[in-house]
Amino acid sequence: KAGVTQTPRYLIKTRGQQVTLSCSPISGHRSVSWYQQTPGQGLQFLFEYFSETQRNKGNFPGRFSGRQFSNSRSEMNVSTLELGDSALYLCASSLVGTVGGDTQYFGPGTRLTVL
Amino acid sequence: TQLLEQSPQFLSIQEGENLTVYCNSSSVFSSLQWYRQEPGEGPVLLVTVVTGGEVKKLKRLTFQFGDARKDSSLHITAAQPGDTGLYLCAGVLNNYGQNFVFGPGTRLSVLP
Repeated sequence: KAGVTQTPRYLIKTRGQQVTLSCSPISGHRSVSWYQQTPGQGLQFLFEYFSETQRNKGNFPGRFSGRQFSNSRSEMNVSTLELGDSALYLCASSLVGTVGGDTQYFGPGTRLTVL
Repeated sequence: TQLLEQSPQFLSIQEGENLTVYCNSSSVFSSLQWYRQEPGEGPVLLVTVVTGGEVKKLKRLTFQFGDARKDSSLHITAAQPGDTGLYLCAGVLNNYGQNFVFGPGTRLSVLP
């Protein structure tokens, strides 16, 4: 079974631009969660999507948004990029979601650098 | 303020040594997970503990969940260079907006 895939793996943008990251979950998984990982703040939860609906959201500004398609693939978008948005963005998929601690499988991440 | 604290932050040991890393919180978790993350990869789940006082063994790794479900430890016996990585604990909080809260991690380096 193929694992979670994320594209692109690396991205360089400049301040003020916007970016879209993509995540393809494991086949059959309906939940996709997004995390931001930085050296200073560690892994922080962005949001979770289940069956095309956002089910949970972390404490990030509205510049961070996401969506999920009917095939469970998910995208996240960051608008008006700031230097502090430079991070590793991780996507994780699970069968039914993180409620109750369902096992999450992480992708390799997208490394975003904002100049 | 981190809901989950991990200690130590960094650990460098020789192959064959034993080590313990800790995950602590003032909050009660319904379950707690340990992950290992290697450079350039996403975290990989090692174990989930759900019952206070629970002990789980995975080869040379022993995981313990505190009786009060506020803390956990990971003990590695006879560490090997392949154990090198970032060890993260993550807790599931009841009645909390975010499903998972991650600790900052312990970066382990096992030297041959």
